Amino acid sequence: DAKTTQPNSMESNEEEPVHLPCNHSTISGTDYIHWYRQLPSQGPEYVIHGLTSNVNNRMASLAIAEDRKSSTLILHRATLRDAAVYYCILRDPRTGNQFYFGTGTSLTVIP
Amino acid sequence: NAGVTQTPKFRVLKTGQSMTLLCAQDMNHEYMYWYRQDPGMGLRLIHYSVGEGTTAKGEVPDGYNVSRLKKQNFLLGLESAAPSQTSVYFCASRWTGESAGYTFGSGTRLTVV
Repeated sequence: DAKTTQPNSMESNEEEPVHLPCNHSTISGTDYIHWYRQLPSQGPEYVIHGLTSNVNNRMASLAIAEDRKSSTLILHRATLRDAAVYYCILRDPRTGNQFYFGTGTSLTVIP
Repeated sequence: NAGVTQTPKFRVLKTGQSMTLLCAQDMNHEYMYWYRQDPGMGLRLIHYSVGEGTTAKGEVPDGYNVSRLKKQNFLLGLESAAPSQTSVYFCASRWTGESAGYTFGSGTRLTVV
């Protein structure tokens, strides 16, 4: 399986940028990098995804290393509503049909 | 647009009882998934389906069965519930594109006593 490694937890002050790292050294050439987040007592929700180039959307930015062995999710201005567990996920290369979730990074936003 | 709907939202079972969790999606997605999430842990894949009439095992399939008789529905069955199956169950669906993301339901909290 193409696995990812993330820090267990991070803290950020409100209205400051947050950089959430993810290592994926066994990524294959066709794996997309996906980020999801899970707010307390809710199902995960899609944040952003990318293949090689950096990506931006209304929620966040995704910066992908040139060798694709790591990526960083960037929240430009953290709010209290961004407190969640953030998951970095790769498509399973064996089947191409499923994603595996790790334990993610629990983000605490300090007012 | 309801997205992914899970029923029931909560359930308490006695050990040995059986039940079926229903997942319904209205987005015409081909792929559907069942995950479980235990306290303080990430999601673990139980079973998945790549289309109507197909099912496949995930990471933790033991003790569960699934069926996908209709494209929009994915059922998760527990034939003889055990306390170890106490968990929050999430259903998800996605379309077939390589970069396609998941849409998740809001979860079913199951307690087996």
